Amino acid sequence: NAGVMQNPRHLVRRRGQEARLRCSPMKGHSHVYWYRQLPEEGLKFMVYLQKENIIDESGMPKERFSAEFPKEGPSILRIQQVVRGDSAAYFCASSPPEWGGRTEAFFGQGTRLTVV
Amino acid sequence: GQQVMQIPQYQHVQEGEDFTTYCNSSTTLSNIQWYKQRPGGHPVFLIQLVKSGEVKKQKRLTFQFGEAKKNSSLHITATQTTDVGTYFCAGRFNQGGKLIFGQGTELSVKP
Repeated sequence: NAGVMQNPRHLVRRRGQEARLRCSPMKGHSHVYWYRQLPEEGLKFMVYLQKENIIDESGMPKERFSAEFPKEGPSILRIQQVVRGDSAAYFCASSPPEWGGRTEAFFGQGTRLTVV
Repeated sequence: GQQVMQIPQYQHVQEGEDFTTYCNSSTTLSNIQWYKQRPGGHPVFLIQLVKSGEVKKQKRLTFQFGEAKKNSSLHITATQTTDVGTYFCAGRFNQGGKLIFGQGTELSVKP
């Protein structure tokens, strides 16, 4: 059972370009989280998704950022017109449905985004 | 807003000393989880606490959930160099809600 897969592991973008970060959850997991982590800082919540549904996007910047988790395929975090301040590690995590009682999040290896 | 506060931010100990990190919330938590992140790595789940006053142990690690379900602690007995990393607590304020992480406590262990 493969873990949470994130790609790419490293992404370099010039200011103004678009960044697309992908996350394939663990098999059987229907919930996906996206977090942003700056060097030596904590994990800042961005968005919480279920397939075809955004549960909570209260941590997403109002502009340039969007996320989706389609019925088929990976979850995508999209950052348009990137700026230097977007440089960070972006972690995706997946968890099983809560009715199972197990709600721990399994993290991917992260995508390190560098904006030059 | 819903926040989970964690202290201290850093802790430097001599190998063999004990270590404790604390988490607090202003409102009741549905459950709390603990994660460990090694330098350059990704967070890895350690444990989940659900019941008021719950205490769980994993070898040298002891996890507690307060009676009011507003605070939690992780205690490591006799630290080893392999314990190095950042320890995060993460709480849910309602069942089915998002997982909010504390700021983390970075532990360094001097051999």
